[in-house]
Amino acid sequence: DADVTQTPRNRITKTGKRIMLECSQTKGHDRMYWYRQDPGLGLRLIYYSFDVKDINKGEISDGYSVSRQAQAKFSLSLESAIPNQTALYFCATSDPDRGRIDEQFFGPGTRLTVL
Amino acid sequence: GQQVMQIPQYQHVQEGEDFTTYCNSSTTLSNIQWYKQRPGGHPVFLIQLVKSGEVKKQKRLTFQFGEAKKNSSLHITATQTTDVGTYFCAGPNTGFQKLVFGTGTRLLVSP
Repeated sequence: DADVTQTPRNRITKTGKRIMLECSQTKGHDRMYWYRQDPGLGLRLIYYSFDVKDINKGEISDGYSVSRQAQAKFSLSLESAIPNQTALYFCATSDPDRGRIDEQFFGPGTRLTVL
Repeated sequence: GQQVMQIPQYQHVQEGEDFTTYCNSSTTLSNIQWYKQRPGGHPVFLIQLVKSGEVKKQKRLTFQFGEAKKNSSLHITATQTTDVGTYFCAGPNTGFQKLVFGTGTRLLVSP
């Protein structure tokens, strides 16, 4: 089974709809992240969380909100989706305390299309 | 804010040719990581470099960290079709709270 899972994998929605993307992990990591990927722009950080009570904005948090329901779960919401939020969304985890290398482990991604 | 740029954005090579992608940060980095994303896949960690001037090799891949710790490169010798994908560099922000990813270089290899 995959260590980091995301649901749904694909979603098409309409402008103005509320959308929730979910991420779950079995790695036991404290740190979780949400990124969006757009062609030519790389991976941009939306929100990150170091534990259930610690949530921080990334570089492009406007129009998004998150919820850390448990150590293993981190959800991303688009309260009122707009077309320029069409992108590939990735969840990732890391645990720097376990070693010197703070590599991030990514989920399979959610492709979101807003019409 | 901190920015990490990569060049080229895209490169198409014939199998057997060499390939290099360059990563430049607007700030000095404590370390740099490299990830590979296969088409339709997710980024996967390749390596981390920490020391100034450090060079590491993984089979046909050679990674370098610049002396000033503001730039890095990934060189692939004799590309294969399995090298196809997008390569990202990433460095921690000043507070070590998050990674700032580069813009990525997409590599296409024709047989």
